[in-house]
Amino acid sequence: SAVISQKPSRDICQRGTSLTIQCQVDSQVTMMFWYRQQPGQSLTLIATANQGSEATYESGFVIDKFPISRPNLTFSTLTVSNMSPEDSSIYLCSVEKGGGRPPGFGPGTRLLVL
Amino acid sequence: AQTVTQSQPEMSVQEAETVTLSCTYDTSESDYYLFWYKQPPSRQMILVIRQEAYKQQNATENRFSVNFQKAAKSFSLKISDSQLGDAAMYFCAYRRESNYQLIWGAGTKLIIKP
Repeated sequence: SAVISQKPSRDICQRGTSLTIQCQVDSQVTMMFWYRQQPGQSLTLIATANQGSEATYESGFVIDKFPISRPNLTFSTLTVSNMSPEDSSIYLCSVEKGGGRPPGFGPGTRLLVL
Repeated sequence: AQTVTQSQPEMSVQEAETVTLSCTYDTSESDYYLFWYKQPPSRQMILVIRQEAYKQQNATENRFSVNFQKAAKSFSLKISDSQLGDAAMYFCAYRRESNYQLIWGAGTKLIIKP
């Protein structure tokens, strides 16, 4: 299975600032996704990161707040812009390789906004 | 639209005993995958078991097995000989084969009593 890393693993940020989270996979993948997991809750899909084109956002998430890049088949970034305390969450990167294989997950980024 | 329901917010079991976590889903698709993921306090999502909808045989992985009832749209997870290391949040997920998006249940917190 793919080895997925995320950086940073955690961060504490001031409101109004931005943070970029990186997701790196050790092999090419078909799909990459970004999730948010608020404390004590399930995962909510933010967007599908599309290679070489704009990400596809889910309802309630917009590009200005969560710009996403995916320059190649192994790397993606998620930026959380103009942060507020409500953005305090775990952010998870997930990948799909297709062919019936199960989705893989990065270790997550724990973000605290003060 | 597909939905996934986990009706047990929390379950507890004595160490070495058996516990069953419930999951039901709703879909009009005929081909899909179902997954159980475990999320310990480290927040890493760990695949426990998966089931392909077109396979009638229930999946088994060591102490973990599922009871997949396609007509009833039920996908419960049985953990035998529970161990302290099994304590975690357990999430049931449905994967749309059209775009590989995962639909998540709310999760069940499993407590193991020594």
